[in-house]
Amino acid sequence: GAVVSQHPSRVICKSGTSVKIECRSLDFQATTMFWYRQFPKQSLMLMATSNEGSKATYEQGVEKDKFLINHASLTLSTLTVTSAHPEDSSFYICSAHTGVGQPQHFGDGTRLSIL
Amino acid sequence: SQKIEQNSEALNIQEGKTATLTCNYTNYSPAYLQWYRQDPGRGPVFLLLIRENEKEKRKERLKVTFDTTLKQSLFHITASQPADSATYLCALGGDSSYKLIFGSGTRLLVRP
Repeated sequence: GAVVSQHPSRVICKSGTSVKIECRSLDFQATTMFWYRQFPKQSLMLMATSNEGSKATYEQGVEKDKFLINHASLTLSTLTVTSAHPEDSSFYICSAHTGVGQPQHFGDGTRLSIL
Repeated sequence: SQKIEQNSEALNIQEGKTATLTCNYTNYSPAYLQWYRQDPGRGPVFLLLIRENEKEKRKERLKVTFDTTLKQSLFHITASQPADSATYLCALGGDSSYKLIFGSGTRLLVRP
C-alpha cells in the first residue's frame, strides 16, 4: 500500500520550455503533497507544500510563478516548471502523506535536464 | 537555524556485521524522527518512525534509538547484506507542522 506514482521519470528539453510533472497517490487519499528538489549528494530541499483545493505554500526563495503547483484532487498534484532554464536542471521528487506525524510516501522522482 | 548532521562519508562494512548510522540535530525539538532509504535515481522509501517519548523502535533487522537529551538518533542494521547498500536519510518533524527536515544522508556500502 501507500504507492505514489510520479511521471515522467526523465525529461530532456530545450531552454524556455515549460515542463509539467505529475504526482499521484494510487491507493490512498493524500491530504497533503510535497514537492522537493535534490541536488547530487545533497539533502532533499522542500520547495512547496500542496493541499487539495487550496493554494500551495512555497518555501522561502522558491519562485511561485516559476514553479506552478496545482492540487486538483486528493490523489493528484502537478508541478509545472515554467520557461525552464539550465539552472532548473535537477531531480524533482514528490511525496504524499495522510496526516501530521505520518510517514511520507515518495514518488520515484523526475530527472529534469534543460539544454 | 535548525541543522541536521549525518556523516557525509560513506560507511563501508563487511556483510554480516552491524551497520550503525548517526543523525545529530541542533536548534530543534522534534516530536518525531523518521528514517528513509534512498537508492540512486529513486525516491526515498520510509523505514521507521520514532516519537520523542520513545527510546527505541525495532523492525526486523532494523533498530532506531532516539535520545532527545543528546539530540541524536542511531540507526542500526544487524546482519547486514549487500542489498542493504543505499543512502539512508534521517528526517525530523514537529507535531504542529506537516514539514519534514531532511539530513543529507549517509551512504552505506556492504561488501560481500
